[in-house]
Amino acid sequence: DTGVSQDPRHKITKRGQNVTFRCDPISEHNRLYWYRQTLGQGPEFLTYFQNEAQLEKSRLLSDRFSAERPKGSFSTLEIQRTEQGDSAMYLCASRLLTGNTIYFGEGSWLTVV
Amino acid sequence: AQRVTQPEKLLSVFKGAPVELKCNYSYSGSPELFWYVQYSRQRLQLLLRHISRESIKGFTADLNKGETSFHLKKPFAQEEDSAIYYCALSSGSRLTFGEGTQLTVNP
Repeated sequence: DTGVSQDPRHKITKRGQNVTFRCDPISEHNRLYWYRQTLGQGPEFLTYFQNEAQLEKSRLLSDRFSAERPKGSFSTLEIQRTEQGDSAMYLCASRLLTGNTIYFGEGSWLTVV
Repeated sequence: AQRVTQPEKLLSVFKGAPVELKCNYSYSGSPELFWYVQYSRQRLQLLLRHISRESIKGFTADLNKGETSFHLKKPFAQEEDSAIYYCALSSGSRLTFGEGTQLTVNP
């Protein structure tokens, strides 16, 4: 499967712990996005990278959230000191700079207990 | 600020009936609009985009700038169309999604 892949697919963590999600975009895709989706809602934009540069961050992205894409390939999203309100699906997506189709991964489910 | 509204969270029709999923948007620029679909246990995937003016799986959508709408239509619904449909607007850098409409096509 050469689509966007995310790991882990499911994570249960205790409140206050840190979690990290990884996203491997489609090869050669310059842009990489992170979205958050809660039950019954559409995906909400968190941040995006063009190659290794983080170009935009949503107000939803509190200072407990940090995303990196160090070599312009895979990306990580870390949530520090998790709270119950962080429970959601975290979606990664990618696209070519010259394309207009964004391809999504299957998402990483986070449950904070 | 850009915004996408899908007024119906749930929509149920019988097989063979016409279906219309509504989408309204607000955006100050020239919009690029998309419909994404999520079938059960599958990833979110692009269904169609307004620029292409294409018909995918029998679905069409017309951008109406006067009414700021981009409704998705299919004349004869099939059971395999049951899914969650999201309307999305692109500002160039990112997509803004509506809340989605869960379509159920009954036999």
